[in-house]
Amino acid sequence: AQKITQTQPGMFVQEKEAVTLDCTYDTSDPSYGLFWYKQPSSGEMIFLIYQGSYDQQNATEGRYSLNFQKARKSANLVISASQLGDSAMYFCAMREMLLVGGAGGTSYGKLTFGQGTILTVHP
Amino acid sequence: GAGVSQTPSNKVTEKGKYVELRCDPISGHTALYWYRQSLGQGPEFLIYFQGTGAADDSGLPNDRFFAVRPEGSVSTLKIQRTERGDSAVYLCASSLQGLHGYTFGSGTRLTVV
Repeated sequence: AQKITQTQPGMFVQEKEAVTLDCTYDTSDPSYGLFWYKQPSSGEMIFLIYQGSYDQQNATEGRYSLNFQKARKSANLVISASQLGDSAMYFCAMREMLLVGGAGGTSYGKLTFGQGTILTVHP
Repeated sequence: GAGVSQTPSNKVTEKGKYVELRCDPISGHTALYWYRQSLGQGPEFLIYFQGTGAADDSGLPNDRFFAVRPEGSVSTLKIQRTERGDSAVYLCASSLQGLHGYTFGSGTRLTVV
């Protein structure tokens, strides 16, 4: 079974500073995907960044980067130059891979989420 | 449509009543997922459809919960004999097989009184 752990219930950061949100995972599957989502108080889940287990380089998307350490099973999110609008709940999630159909194609199964980290950016 | 649409956005029901929550995924997305999110927690998986069939329903908490997707597009999550503990935000997401993106709807906030 897959498990995601986010050990920081809350984090605070000064505007324009960088912040790291921790995520560790546990899986026996050799192929998996790791995601980070942002959930503001309005409730929508906003996709931030994705890292595949076989990706050689750490994923980056604008101010977001994922510090992927496969041996340690960690996938920390780094937000650079924090903005007030970054204040939200952040979730780390893992996706399992499924084999479907007689042709042996792959599909993407459920996401397993961590407990979340509330980030507060101070001016 | 442009995004995943969930209706209603809010639902208040009395304990013991039956409710239906609807999810309209992005057109052409073959995979559809239901999650339940309690306050301050991460979403918990309920059920996953690939086309019309339930590929994984291991997250449904008990037999009061049931979901269908008869034509491979719109899905309905059905909850019988609702209990106060069913109060949560129910999220729906869809994705296209072969791609890793999931698009979430805005959720239905269910309150059982």
